[in-house]
Amino acid sequence: KAGVTQTPRYLIKTRGQQVTLSCSPISGHRSVSWYQQTPGQGLQFLFEYFSETQRNKGNFPGRFSGRQFSNSRSEMNVSTLELGDSALYLCASSTTQAGVGELFFGEGSRLTVL
Amino acid sequence: DQQVKQNSPSLSVQEGRISILNCDYTNSMFDYFLWYKKYPAEGPTFLISISSIKDKNEDGRFTVFLNKSAKHLSLHIVPSQPGDSAVYFCAASATGGFKTIFGAGTRLFVKA
Repeated sequence: KAGVTQTPRYLIKTRGQQVTLSCSPISGHRSVSWYQQTPGQGLQFLFEYFSETQRNKGNFPGRFSGRQFSNSRSEMNVSTLELGDSALYLCASSTTQAGVGELFFGEGSRLTVL
Repeated sequence: DQQVKQNSPSLSVQEGRISILNCDYTNSMFDYFLWYKKYPAEGPTFLISISSIKDKNEDGRFTVFLNKSAKHLSLHIVPSQPGDSAVYFCAASATGGFKTIFGAGTRLFVKA
């Protein structure tokens, strides 16, 4: 079974630009979560989608948005990039409907903002 | 608002000895707890979990203990091996909450 696939793996942007990251979950998984990892901060929750519906959102500004498609693939978008947005963005999928259970992570997309 | 806290940024242990990683949480609604391991350039991978109805769960060399009254959980690795050197994240979730909250991680070094 293929794992969670994230693209692109690495990208460099400049301040003010926008970026779109993609995540393909494990086949059959309908829940997709996004996290931001920065040194010393652990994994900060961005949002969670299940069957194309956003069920929860973390404490991030509106510049961070996401969506999920009918095939469960998900994208997240960050507009008007700031230097502080430089981070590893991780996507995770799971089967859970209840909101508890094991997450399966991709390798992440490392974003550098110059 | 750090609902899940790992107060030790790093831990160094000799090979063959026990590694104990600690985690505290503040939200009493959490009813499921997990530990993940992360190597550099890889995504976190699930290690072991425990439901709030239990106080201990064991899987090979890994045991997780949950103390609900203290809102504390710990991960024991016995015996520790050099391949266990990684960052360990504690995580928690609540049924119906639709999000898993992670701690900041503890970097474990197992010396040969």
